[in-house]
Amino acid sequence: KAGVTQTPRYLIKTRGQQVTLSCSPISGHRSVSWYQQTPGQGLQFLFEYFSETQRNKGNFPGRFSGRQFSNSRSEMNVSTLELGDSALYLCASSSAPGESPLHFGNGTRLTVT
Amino acid sequence: EDQVTQSPEALRLQEGESSSLNCSYTVSGLRGLFWYRQDPGKGPEFLFTLYSAGEEKEKERLKATLTKKESFLHITAPKPEDSATYLCAVQDLYYGNNRLAFGKGNQVVVIP
Repeated sequence: KAGVTQTPRYLIKTRGQQVTLSCSPISGHRSVSWYQQTPGQGLQFLFEYFSETQRNKGNFPGRFSGRQFSNSRSEMNVSTLELGDSALYLCASSSAPGESPLHFGNGTRLTVT
Repeated sequence: EDQVTQSPEALRLQEGESSSLNCSYTVSGLRGLFWYRQDPGKGPEFLFTLYSAGEEKEKERLKATLTKKESFLHITAPKPEDSATYLCAVQDLYYGNNRLAFGKGNQVVVIP
């Protein structure tokens, strides 16, 4: 069974640009969550989607947004990039909200210059 | 707000030297506590879920235990391949979803 797939693996962007990251969950998993990982803050919850609806959102500015498609695949978008947005963005999936455990992908490493 | 504190931040062990990692947590109500392993350049890999105080789970050289305020990950006779960052996370009953609060991790290096 294929795991969680995230694309691209690496991304370099300039301040002020926007970026879209993609996530394909494990087959049969319908809940997708996004996390940001930085050396200083560790893993922080961004948002969670289930049945194409955002179920929960973390404490991030509105520049961070996401969506989920009918096939459970998800994308997250960051607009007006700042240097502090440089991080590893991790996607995780589970069969349904609250159903443990979360299974993580290998992330997208975003560098903002 | 949920809080998770892991100690020590970093640990160097000789191969075969057993040790324990600590995860202290504060939640309004614990739905589950999770241990993950993360290797450089990769996403966290699930190890264990613990639900109630007194529960224990084992996998090879790893054993996780849970009390009402903390969890321990015991590493028995570690090998170099156990070198990784170990992450602890809690799921709050209040949220009832996949919003986990993570600690900053225990970075373990096992020297041959």
